[in-house]
Amino acid sequence: RKEVEQDPGPFNVPEGATVAFNCTYSNSASQSFFWYRQDCRKEPKLLMSVYSSGNEDGRFTAQLNRASQYISLLIRDSKLSDSATYLCVVNKKYSGAGSYQLTFGKGTKLSVIP
Amino acid sequence: EAQVTQNPRYLITVTGKKLTVTCSQNMNHEYMSWYRQDPGLGLRQIYYSMNVEVTDKGDVPEGYKVSRKEKRNFPLILESPSPNQTSLYFCASSSRQGGTDTQYFGPGTRLTVL
Repeated sequence: RKEVEQDPGPFNVPEGATVAFNCTYSNSASQSFFWYRQDCRKEPKLLMSVYSSGNEDGRFTAQLNRASQYISLLIRDSKLSDSATYLCVVNKKYSGAGSYQLTFGKGTKLSVIP
Repeated sequence: EAQVTQNPRYLITVTGKKLTVTCSQNMNHEYMSWYRQDPGLGLRQIYYSMNVEVTDKGDVPEGYKVSRKEKRNFPLILESPSPNQTSLYFCASSSRQGGTDTQYFGPGTRLTVL
């Protein structure tokens, strides 16, 4: 299994739709999980951290399943401005130097269509 | 304004001509890193630094050097650039928690090596 794996998409959805992305990771020792958003030709920006109990930020919900080693991101009521590439990010280790290193998935591209 | 700056933003150079890409952050972050992003390969870490005078290799360090003489600056040096180093480069910084904290990315440097 690759370190962090995502479906590259593209996901083309109409405005107002609900869309979900999944991400799997290989290192069971990973403890920190994130979703970053990257607009075309721009730098990645943190969208949200992912907590064990799941967490929500407005229209965005993130879930973590440690047993199956996957992370999900749900976007409700999609807006045109949600069009971007979503990167799944996992830290390499729980402690020590590796805990400061992040592994980025290749990203899932989302296009929200009017 | 809290930010990470990179210079230059765009650079076209020739094989073998040494170059330096500068990175500076004004958030007093201890952790800084360099990534390259290539189509189909995602973001890959080149080098990282956990503090002044402390640097370590990431996943793809070959052909690159870094230094961390001051907390705010983390330049990336290509001693003898080759065409396979043509890429989009991002510098990032984060607080002491490193892998458990938000990574702030610079705007990117698009490098072409002919």
